[in-house]
Order: sequence, then C-alpha cells, then structure tokens
Amino acid sequence: DTEVTQTPKHLVMGMTNKKSLKCEQHMGHRAMYWYKQKAKKPPELMFVYSYEKLSINESVPSRFSPECPNSSLLNLHLHALQPEDSALYLCASSQGIVTDTQYFGPGTRLTVL
Amino acid sequence: SQQGEEDPQALSIQEGENATMNCSYKTSINNLQWYRQNSGRGLVHLILIRSNEREKHSGRLRVTLDTSKKSSSLLITASRAADTASYFCATARYGGSNYKLTFGKGTLLTVNP
Repeated sequence: DTEVTQTPKHLVMGMTNKKSLKCEQHMGHRAMYWYKQKAKKPPELMFVYSYEKLSINESVPSRFSPECPNSSLLNLHLHALQPEDSALYLCASSQGIVTDTQYFGPGTRLTVL
Repeated sequence: SQQGEEDPQALSIQEGENATMNCSYKTSINNLQWYRQNSGRGLVHLILIRSNEREKHSGRLRVTLDTSKKSSSLLITASRAADTASYFCATARYGGSNYKLTFGKGTLLTVNP
C-alpha cells in the first residue's frame, strides 16, 4: 500500500466552526507533513511530525492545530479560520525525516466563508 | 533563503515533442526533487537527484543537476497528452535540527494532442 489518504476531499466551513482534516498512511513512514497550497502557487510547508512528535512548525497561526495520534494518522484541527485560509491542504509522508521522497495525499480543498 | 525557481512558467508543446523545464536555487542543498501535480490535486514524486549526482534517468525523464550553477533541468522525451500537468522542483536541505523541502513556483506544461 503506497497510498496516503485524506478526508474529507472538500470542506466548507464558517469562520466560527471547528473542523478537522484527517490523513492516513500505512507505509510505515515515520515522518508526516502538512502543506498549504493556494491556487497557482507552490505548496508551503506548515508542520512536520517525526516519530509522532512535532518537529517543525513553520510559524503557523494557532488556529491551525496539528495532532499525530499514532504513526499512521495525522490530523489538522481547524478553529476560527479566516477566508484567506481557503486553500488546498496536502498531507505527505516519508520514510524518514529530512530529505527522503515524500508521498502526497490528494488533498482537502477547504473553503472558509 | 533557498527556493527553486522554475522556468518557463508555462510551456505548450505538441504530442511527441520533448519538454525541458529548468530550476534554479540559491543555497546549498542535500538533494533536489521533481514533482508533478495534476489540476490542483496531490503531488506525485518523479525523481530525486542527490547533490553528488549529475544526471539521473527514469523512463522518459532525464534530470540533470549542476551544483556549481545551482540549477537543474527536467527533460521529458516523447511527450504525451497525459503529461499535461504542473511540474515543481523542490530543494531539500537538512542541517542540525533545521529541515526544509522548499518548492519552486512550478512550470505548467500543456501537451496538445
């Protein structure tokens, strides 16, 4: 199984809502990532988890809260988002941290009203 | 800061022709990776070239890396309509506790049947 799955595929939420994005991989990878991608822009790294511990937080606002319940799962909890947070949110995993090939999920397209 | 910059930003060719995309970056790297993204979905890893390598092949793909010029190129031979996508280079650097995989702005390739 070389797949990273993400749910939901699409999400529309209001600025007062609380929602979560989910990511799962069963490749035994020990590093997992969240990226944000705006239209016609490259992905931007948000968070890196290594061995279920938060390794890197790229100065992301606290309204985004990552969680890694176990080595296969990665969540991104959303609260009090702004319309400018609308984007494609991509999850990825790699065998190790650092410079290994990353495997990406299909993404969750988030719209904040 | 290191960041891949691809050129051209957009490339339109006929099926069967070769497509060449270039990537330049600013600082030293551990490796450089190329990814493909179809229409705002997840990224697919194409090829990884390490800083001590000069050229790699994978099927119809050929990647070169010139660390002295801080540049890389991706050649797709005998292009197909299915190759239509955005192509991103990503530079990877790890030092101590700092890690970053930074994506360039991408080249939008259109292969006309």
